[in-house]
Amino acid sequence: QVRLMESGGGVVQSGRSLRLSCAASGFTFRSYAMHWVRQAPGKGLECVAFLSYDGTQKYYADSAQGRFTISRDNSKNRLYLEMNSLRPEDTAVYYCARDRNTGYGGGAFDLWGQGTMVTV
Amino acid sequence: QSVLTQPPSVSAAPGQKVTISCSGSSANIGINSVSWYRQLPGTAPKLLIYDNNKRPSGIPDRFSGSKSGTSATLDITGLQTGDEADYYCGTWDSSLRGGVFGGGTKLTVL
Repeated sequence: QVRLMESGGGVVQSGRSLRLSCAASGFTFRSYAMHWVRQAPGKGLECVAFLSYDGTQKYYADSAQGRFTISRDNSKNRLYLEMNSLRPEDTAVYYCARDRNTGYGGGAFDLWGQGTMVTV
Repeated sequence: QSVLTQPPSVSAAPGQKVTISCSGSSANIGINSVSWYRQLPGTAPKLLIYDNNKRPSGIPDRFSGSKSGTSATLDITGLQTGDEADYYCGTWDSSLRGGVFGGGTKLTVL
């Protein structure tokens, strides 16, 4: 079954850290670029971070730059988001999403996890 | 404020057609493919349209997309009450080198 499943969300105090994890299954994870997308309560979607299939190309939204780190372990089929110096405005549901294009992304987000809630 | 601009809401009667617009710039829609997503309350977004006008397997042909210049549109025909949801456009921004979304459009089926 093709699937993404996030974990690691929770309630954290302002200034603290949290690490989100996304477990992929049912497809060749190492071939796909991946994204973290968040949605604050009652708000729209925001691309937070992007990582190419091989980890060589990254993108961070301005809101995440310098505080968040995206990484992946292709041997474990997992994507991560390390979030430091958390702020109340980081409160959101965080989704991992697969890029439809293999390699270096730039395509549609064709597979989404169910999301994990982070409350700061 | 979102990089892509969508109307906050649209509405139409069951069976009718609705069009949702998405406006961007030469750095995003102008040179990259557009995708559309539907999000039902409390659920993750779902891909409806990719590469401007292609539908993933399982998406009915009531949903269609198009792009012209720096704008794109999503058309939904034969509206059903189950189509009530938030709809988002998305694309790649070559200047930012990351994905961008519109602010979302809430569809109400009267």
